[in-house]
Amino acid sequence: GAVVSQHPSRVICKSGTSVKIECRSLDFQATTMFWYRQFPKKSLMLMATSNEGSKATYEQGVEKDKFLINHASLTLSTLTVTSAHPEDSSFYICSASVGRHGYTFGSGTRLTVV
Amino acid sequence: AQSVSQHNHHVILSEAASLELGCNYSYGGTVNLFWYVQYPGQHLQLLLKYFSGDPLVKGIKGFEAEFIKSKFSFNLRKPSVQWSDTAEYFCAVNVPNSNSGYALNFGKGTSLLVTP
Repeated sequence: GAVVSQHPSRVICKSGTSVKIECRSLDFQATTMFWYRQFPKKSLMLMATSNEGSKATYEQGVEKDKFLINHASLTLSTLTVTSAHPEDSSFYICSASVGRHGYTFGSGTRLTVV
Repeated sequence: AQSVSQHNHHVILSEAASLELGCNYSYGGTVNLFWYVQYPGQHLQLLLKYFSGDPLVKGIKGFEAEFIKSKFSFNLRKPSVQWSDTAEYFCAVNVPNSNSGYALNFGKGTSLLVTP
């Protein structure tokens, strides 16, 4: 149980375009979801936390206008990278809170901006 | 600043060798500690976690970890590794985040390669 499905797994986009990444909870209601960014040979960096029906809370240094997060339902959270640039190329991972202090993760999205 | 340090970035072991991966954290409050594994091309999976009680925690696939509060450590161990243990291993601490809740703060990960 507690499966999170993340799509797409890979995406290549042109510089200046926007890309949407979806994260769905398949068999549970995800009240709180998290978006991480993983750089090569680096840790997962928490970008933002979203609660269903409210605005996302962004970590320090993360541009909220570039990384738009929508958590409109208990089973879907989306991350839109707007006006993408090559430096936005990275591995993005979503996660959902499960129970008390439990987490489940999506399989990640490899974004390449050319 | 709160941080999680994993000392070994790359580890290469032969099958049947013993494994110990170091993890230290800097956080003064009550901590919840986790070890996750990421097999190539797959999502993060929970190996084990510590919330309270017995500081020696047993997880899946023969892994265990020991919480030593005085050393702020939570090292991962396995007595005999297998080729299938080749993966990336992440230590994480549950800490308060900007959302007035909790989120995982990860170490940089340790890449383990087990050779036949």
